[in-house]
Amino acid sequence: DTGVSQDPRHKITKRGQNVTFRCDPISEHNRLYWYRQTLGQGPEFLTYFQNEAQLEKSRLLSDRFSAERPKGSFSTLEIQRTEQGDSAMYLCASSLPGQPGDNEQFFGPGTRLTVL
Amino acid sequence: GQQLNQSPQSMFIQEGEDVSMNCTSSSIFNTWLWYKQDPGEGPVLLIALYKAGELTSNGRLTAQFGITRKDSFLNISASIPSDVGIYFCAGRGAGGTSYGKLTFGQGTILTVHP
Repeated sequence: DTGVSQDPRHKITKRGQNVTFRCDPISEHNRLYWYRQTLGQGPEFLTYFQNEAQLEKSRLLSDRFSAERPKGSFSTLEIQRTEQGDSAMYLCASSLPGQPGDNEQFFGPGTRLTVL
Repeated sequence: GQQLNQSPQSMFIQEGEDVSMNCTSSSIFNTWLWYKQDPGEGPVLLIALYKAGELTSNGRLTAQFGITRKDSFLNISASIPSDVGIYFCAGRGAGGTSYGKLTFGQGTILTVHP
């Protein structure tokens, strides 16, 4: 059974550059979530997809952030014109459809972003 | 917005001791979840709770969904060194526009001395 995978695991970039992260959910999970976690805090919700539809976006997701899930399988999160405040762990999670499975979100290992 | 207050922030215990931590909210949640996170890794789901008053166990872990639906508790019995990590509570709201997201507490850092 393959869990949620994320790529890359670590990314170091210079301020102003664009970065893109990829998430591959557990194969039968149709819901996919993105969270951001800064040091010493719990994960904070960014956005979620049901199949290819983006159903909810947090106010944390500024105009520089965009997420896609074009075929309802893997998802990408792009950050344009990165700022030092974007440095964080970006976590992806997925869940099964229907009750109670859609309550149980399974997380990937995360992508650690450092903006210099 | 919804806020979760998790306590204690950190715990230092001896191997073999029992551990208790809790999470409180100003809002009602329909689901409570407990996760454990190791450094540099994503959170791992430990226990999910769906009904007010529900008590659920997973090995040495026991969690409860508070009657008011505004709190949850996690107990770890007979702690061992591999219990070290950060424990997070998370709640899922009662539908509406925030149906998809989990709200997390700030975490409890657990250190176990052999």
